[in-house]
Amino acid sequence: EADIYQTPRYLVIGTGKKITLECSQTMGHDKMYWYQQDPGMELHLIHYSYGVNSTEKGDLSSESTVSRIRTEHFPLTLESARPSHTSQYLCASSDPSGEYLTDTQYFGPGTRLTVL
Amino acid sequence: LAKTTQPISMDSYEGQEVNITCSHNNIATNDYITWYQQFPSQGPRFIIQGYKTKVTNEVASLFIPADRKSSTLSLPRVSLSDTAVYYCLVGDDGRGSTLGRLYFGRGTQLTVWP
Repeated sequence: EADIYQTPRYLVIGTGKKITLECSQTMGHDKMYWYQQDPGMELHLIHYSYGVNSTEKGDLSSESTVSRIRTEHFPLTLESARPSHTSQYLCASSDPSGEYLTDTQYFGPGTRLTVL
Repeated sequence: LAKTTQPISMDSYEGQEVNITCSHNNIATNDYITWYQQFPSQGPRFIIQGYKTKVTNEVASLFIPADRKSSTLSLPRVSLSDTAVYYCLVGDDGRGSTLGRLYFGRGTQLTVWP
C-alpha cells in the first residue's frame, strides 16, 4: 500500500489568510501532483513536479504555488485565501518503475479547504 | 490528452455483475487504459490497467476490443462497499520526457443497493 500523507485533512479559514497544505510521500517517487476537485466534479491538475527543484503549472489555472525542495515533500501555498479557493485538494505521486504499464498515481486522503 | 466518455451514474444490487463502458475514440497508439475508484472524501485508487484484449485481477476485469476505442470495466458480484465513483482514463506511459498525465473526467457514480 502506498504511503502518501496530507495535512490538514480539513481546514476552515478566513479570507486573506496565508495557508500551506502539506503533502509527503515515503516511497521515493520523483513525480508528484496536486489536483483540485469540487464535490461531484472532475479532478483538475493544478501543479506537478518531475523531481527536486522542478515544478510546473497544470491544466487548471491556480493562484496557489508549490515547491519541491525535497523528494518526499510537495507543499502547496495560498498567499491570500479567498472563498473561491474552497475545494478539495488532492496530492498524488507516481513512480515510472512500478509494476504497471504506466505510472500508477497514488493519492493522499485530500485536504478539504473552506474559506469563509 | 485523450478524453473519455462514460455514463454519469449507474445503479446495481448486491451480488450482481456491473459493467461500466468507457469511450475513448481518440486514443493514441501509446496510450494505456486505466481505471480508478474513488470513495467520498478520499483520493482515487488504482483498480486495473490494460492495453488491449482482456486483463483480470483480484478486483475487476477490463475488456478492450481490437480497435481500442472503448473499454469495459467489469465488477463481479458487487457489494455495498463498491459504491464509489469510477474513472476511466487514457494516457501514455509517462516515461522519458512525458509526464504521463492523466485526465480524470467526472467518472461514473456507481450506487449499489441492498
